[in-house]
Amino acid sequence: TQLLEQSPQFLSIQEGENLTVYCNSSSVFSSLQWYRQEPGEGPVLLVTVVTGGEVKKLKRLTFQFGDARKDSSLHITAAQPGDTGLYLCAGALYGGSQGNLIFGKGTKLSVKP
Amino acid sequence: DSGVTQTPKHLITATGQRVTLRCSPRSGDLSVYWYQQSLDQGLQFLIQYYNGEERAKGNILERFSAQQFPDLHSELNLSSLELGDSALYFCASSNRDRLNEKLFFGSGTQLSVL
Repeated sequence: TQLLEQSPQFLSIQEGENLTVYCNSSSVFSSLQWYRQEPGEGPVLLVTVVTGGEVKKLKRLTFQFGDARKDSSLHITAAQPGDTGLYLCAGALYGGSQGNLIFGKGTKLSVKP
Repeated sequence: DSGVTQTPKHLITATGQRVTLRCSPRSGDLSVYWYQQSLDQGLQFLIQYYNGEERAKGNILERFSAQQFPDLHSELNLSSLELGDSALYFCASSNRDRLNEKLFFGSGTQLSVL
């Protein structure tokens, strides 16, 4: 059973469209991170959210941590081809070590020009 | 470039064999983490070392072992390899072991067991 469910699994959109990726769990996390991974490379951290209800913005990307700390969303406004990649959410369980992150399986985003 | 170096980039071997994957963390980072990424399981945490000592264990098989050396580089040893061990193996490093510390991932080693 996957602890963190990401949806959708695949997303193919046109440049300029908006999109939202979801990350859901029945478990409570002390913090949640979003990564972007490109082919042949390791994941790169985009943001860490630590407070329930927290919203963080990174240019055209908006990240939200659910009030109950069980879910998160990533919204991209006016997507560009450079946003193409695999988006991963990762949660840190209470009492877990720093690196023992629970990863979702990812959302593969393709933005066509 | 994350500053984390993993070698080799690709490794092809046969079932039953043993391989060693190597990781050099970012300069100054004391923590090293190993992850396995496969299509069906996604990214799974294997093990963490901090300044030479094992700090946390995840879903690491008994056939797998790791160590961190005094110069802080780390090796992941995989033995009695099976077809299902084929995956991308990532190493990540962080400066310390504090909550929410940023992890920097290497580019991975693609292991193919034939």
